[in-house]
Amino acid sequence: EAGVAQSPRYKIIEKRQSVAFWCNPISGHATLYWYQQILGQGPKLLIQFQNNGVVDDSQLPKDRFSAERLKGVDSTLKIQPAKLEDSAVYLCASSLTSGSYNEQFFGPGTRLTVL
Amino acid sequence: TQLLEQSPQFLSIQEGENLTVYCNSSSVFSSLQWYRQEPGEGPVLLVTVVTGGEVKKLKRLTFQFGDARKDSSLHITAAQPGDTGLYLCAGALGAGNMLTFGGGTRLMVKP
Repeated sequence: EAGVAQSPRYKIIEKRQSVAFWCNPISGHATLYWYQQILGQGPKLLIQFQNNGVVDDSQLPKDRFSAERLKGVDSTLKIQPAKLEDSAVYLCASSLTSGSYNEQFFGPGTRLTVL
Repeated sequence: TQLLEQSPQFLSIQEGENLTVYCNSSSVFSSLQWYRQEPGEGPVLLVTVVTGGEVKKLKRLTFQFGDARKDSSLHITAAQPGDTGLYLCAGALGAGNMLTFGGGTRLMVKP
């Protein structure tokens, strides 16, 4: 079974530029998550989708971050404009459903460096 | 202040030693999970504990959920270099599987 795919794996941009990350979850997984993991910290949930609807985006900085999951499969996370403090690994995860104890499967992440 | 505090933040030990990693909170969790993350990869689930006082074993790893479901520990017996990595605890506060992660414990096991 293929895992969660993310691209690109690495991205270097200058502050105030825009960037987009792509995630393809495990086939059949209804729930998709985007996390931000700053160096030396644990992942922080940015947004959770159930199919193509948003379940929680309370920690998403909406003035610069946006995410969509059209058709309830792939998802993109965009930052516009980027700030230095956005440098982090952006992890995508998926689970079968959003029910309790459903295992989340993580992709390898996209490492973003903002100069 | 993080909802889940992990200690220690860093641990460097020799192969064969035992160690315990702690995950503490003032909040009650419906479930708690432990993950291991290696460089350049996403976290991988090791175990989920649900019931207060629950103990689960995974080979040389023993996981315990506190009686009040506010804390957890991970004990590794006879650590091996392959155990090296970042250990993360993550708790679910209510129904559903939305997780809050701790800051992690970075473990290095030297041969």
